[in-house]
This record gives sequence, C-alpha cells and structure tokens, in this order.
Amino acid sequence: QVQLQQSGPGLVKPSQTLSLTCAISGDSVSSNSAAWNWIRQSPSRGLEWLGRTYYRSKWYNDYAVSVKSRITINPDTSKNQFSLQLNSVTPEDTAVYYCSGSYYDILTGYYNFDYWGQGTLVTVSS
Amino acid sequence: AIQLTQSPSSLSASVGDRVTITCRASQGISSALAWYQQKPGKAPKLLIYDASSLESGVPSRFSGSGSGTDFTLTISSLQPEDFATYYCQQFNSYITFGQGTRLEIK
Repeated sequence: QVQLQQSGPGLVKPSQTLSLTCAISGDSVSSNSAAWNWIRQSPSRGLEWLGRTYYRSKWYNDYAVSVKSRITINPDTSKNQFSLQLNSVTPEDTAVYYCSGSYYDILTGYYNFDYWGQGTLVTVSS
Repeated sequence: AIQLTQSPSSLSASVGDRVTITCRASQGISSALAWYQQKPGKAPKLLIYDASSLESGVPSRFSGSGSGTDFTLTISSLQPEDFATYYCQQFNSYITFGQGTRLEIK
C-alpha cells in the first residue's frame, strides 16, 4: 500500500518560493509505472493539477501552462520523495496543496490517481 | 485547455435516493475521465476510472457512464456516508477537473 506524507511550511511571503516535499512509502519514486503529481485546491480555482515527474529510463516532467514559468518538481531518489517549488508566489497561490501518485493502467492506457497525501494549507501573506 | 462543466453545482437528496451527476467536456476526450469523492478536510478519493470502471473497494452503488463529451456518475441508493462533494477529472490532454457537485442531505 502506497502512502504519501507531505511536509513544508504553511506560510510563505509574497514574491518568495513555496517549497513542499512528499515522502513515498510502499513504492519507489523511480517506479516505471507511476507518476508523482502536485495538485492544489482553492475556493477560487477549485482543483488544479500543477505538474508531475516520472521515470521511464530517464526523468520526465510535465507542468500546467498556468504555472509553467514558476514551477519545478524534482525527484529525490536518495530519500524516496519528490518536491514542489513554486516561485514568485502571490496571494492567489494560497491553497491546499496535495501530492498524489498516479499509476499506469495497462488495460486503459491511462493513469489513475490512486494515492494522495494529507494536504498542506499554504497561505501566502506578509 | 479542456474544460469540464459539472451539473448541478449542488444537489439535495435523501437516503435511498438515486442521484445522477453530469460532466460535460469542452471537446471529445474518449473515456479519459475519472470521478472522485471528497469529504471536508480530506483528499479526493478515486471512485471511477476510464469513465465506467469501478475502483477496487468502492461500493457497487456507484457507477459511471459516457464517452466523448458527456459523462454521468450515478449513485443508485444514497447512503449517509455518500454526502460529499464529487469531481470529474479528464486526462486526455493534460489534466483538468470539474468545478464540483456538492451533495447535501435533504
């Protein structure tokens, strides 16, 4: 059973960098069938997928267009975790942030978001 | 980006009722759609994937249907634990979510 444990600060100042980490147990961040995602949720924007990292003989990243210029998702194989960095934050980045593991279904060809972290409320305020 | 529009935005129903929630995509997405249930303070929980496949461990009163642009989630007989917010999600092109349907007790 995969479990995801999030960590990181709940308060970030405007213009600074939001940094969160998601520790994986029950699987490897280098799994050839998983992708590791960050998703956020706010009353104004609803659920918003931010991006993912995954390993298929080499590392790949995909990012949402809305944050592409400000986001970095990195794997850390030594600690079996992955991280989110979001630069130049504004109050509009205030949200609950979730990490999620999605697994490739060979029958459908799609990724199922089976596992989620507990969520971290990040407030952007001075 | 592909937009998903759910209807209704909120719904009041009673235990034992049959409930249907609709999700419409702004362009065809084949069957690349999932449904989630979310309760306050918790992460979303996967219910349905590939538009109509029931996730392991999810009660059979939940079902999904549709393909292309129009999809439905049906709960055949509401139970007290089903009162929550439901979201659709597409992954045909990047990943987007519907705005949610809040299911409340009448």
